[in-house]
Parts: sequence; C-alpha cells; structure tokens
Amino acid sequence: QSALTQPASVSGSPGQSITISCTGTSTDLGTYNLVSWYQQHPGKAPKVMIYEVSKRPSGVSNRFSGSKSGNTASLTISGLQAEDEADYYCCSYAGSSSWVFGGGTKLTVL
Amino acid sequence: EVQLVESGGGLVQPGGSLRLSCAASGSTLIGYEMNWVRQAPGKGLEWISYIRGGDTTMFYADSVKGRFTISRDNAKNSLHLQMDSLRAEDTALYYCARVGTGYYHFDYWGQGTLVTVSS
Repeated sequence: QSALTQPASVSGSPGQSITISCTGTSTDLGTYNLVSWYQQHPGKAPKVMIYEVSKRPSGVSNRFSGSKSGNTASLTISGLQAEDEADYYCCSYAGSSSWVFGGGTKLTVL
Repeated sequence: EVQLVESGGGLVQPGGSLRLSCAASGSTLIGYEMNWVRQAPGKGLEWISYIRGGDTTMFYADSVKGRFTISRDNAKNSLHLQMDSLRAEDTALYYCARVGTGYYHFDYWGQGTLVTVSS
C-alpha cells in the first residue's frame, strides 16, 4: 500500500479557515468511507479529530470538519487558533484489516 | 479513561531482535482490535500490524511481514510485538493503538517506545 498524498505544509492566520487535502486510490480511500484524521503536536501521540469521513469524537471542537469526494478527502479547520498548529495525518481503512496513512501536513498558524 | 503504555524499546544492532509491550489500564483490551503504528524520526505515521479482538487473527504491512509478530496476553491485559531481523529502516517510535468496537479508526494511543537499530 502506498501512502496517501497530503500537502507537506499549509498555513493560515488566526480566525481564518484552512483545508488539508488527502488523496488516495480506488482501493483505499475511494472504496471506503472510513477516513480518519489525526492531530499530532510535537512530542505527543496522535489524537483522532475526525472519523468515518466527517464525524467528530466527543470533545473535539466543531471547528474541525471533514468531507470526501471520490478518491480525495479533506479536513477543514475554521476559526484558526494558535493551538491548532500541529501535524495532521489522514488515514484510510484499506481492507483486510489494514490501514494506510498520509504523509502528514504541517499546519502553521501565522 | 483508557491508558496505553508501551515499553521494551532500545538500541539494537541490525539483525537483532526486540520485544515491545503495551500495557493497558482503565479498561480491558479483551475484545478490542489492537494495532502497532510506527513513526520514523521526523517522518509520518505507518500502520504495521493488527490483531483481532475475538481471536488471534493477525495482519501485517508488507514492510514487516515475516519479521514481526503481534500477540496479546488477555490475562495480563497487554499487547506485544516481537521484532526479529531488525533493519536500520525499522528505527522509529512505536505506538500501540486501539480500534473501537465497530469502528475503523484509532481511538486510543500510547505515548510510544523508541526503537533504534544501529551498529
């Protein structure tokens, strides 16, 4: 399985919105509506922010939203805050109890 | 609240072996699907292994297939990863991660244990 494709970096100013894309193939992201997004601050473990394309776990801000079209999923963060600065990883179930992650996107809040 | 704590990492020579453990507290691991995910220094996340909750069905990424073995000890509420024939490219922080029942995402993660393969 090849890694999903994410932009290496995105940036935005406080209060703005940003979107991170995640492109897979017809055998993973295109087949399953089982895309999740993880936030990782430096030196910390990943934390799930979105699952099943657009669902938010309890406790995650509604500023985080997800969507999918075809082989591409997207994470949108609205009303950017300083604490949103982190690495973000998309992940797709790929069948046969396997998963594939994206390469990660570094979000900088200017 | 579920807490996962990995241990067993360290420095090992190429070709050597290491056994990682993941201890759970706050909840049983019995019945849950468990995984190992690794992160090479400065790099992204890579899923490497899965073990089913109800039985010992296991799956591996191609990068570790035939060299790594995942197992669980329900009596000790723990997960393990036996790593053999280690290579330099196995150097990474190894996380254990739980998949919630009926879901397909990793809802709880440990803090990771560092494995360094170097001569």
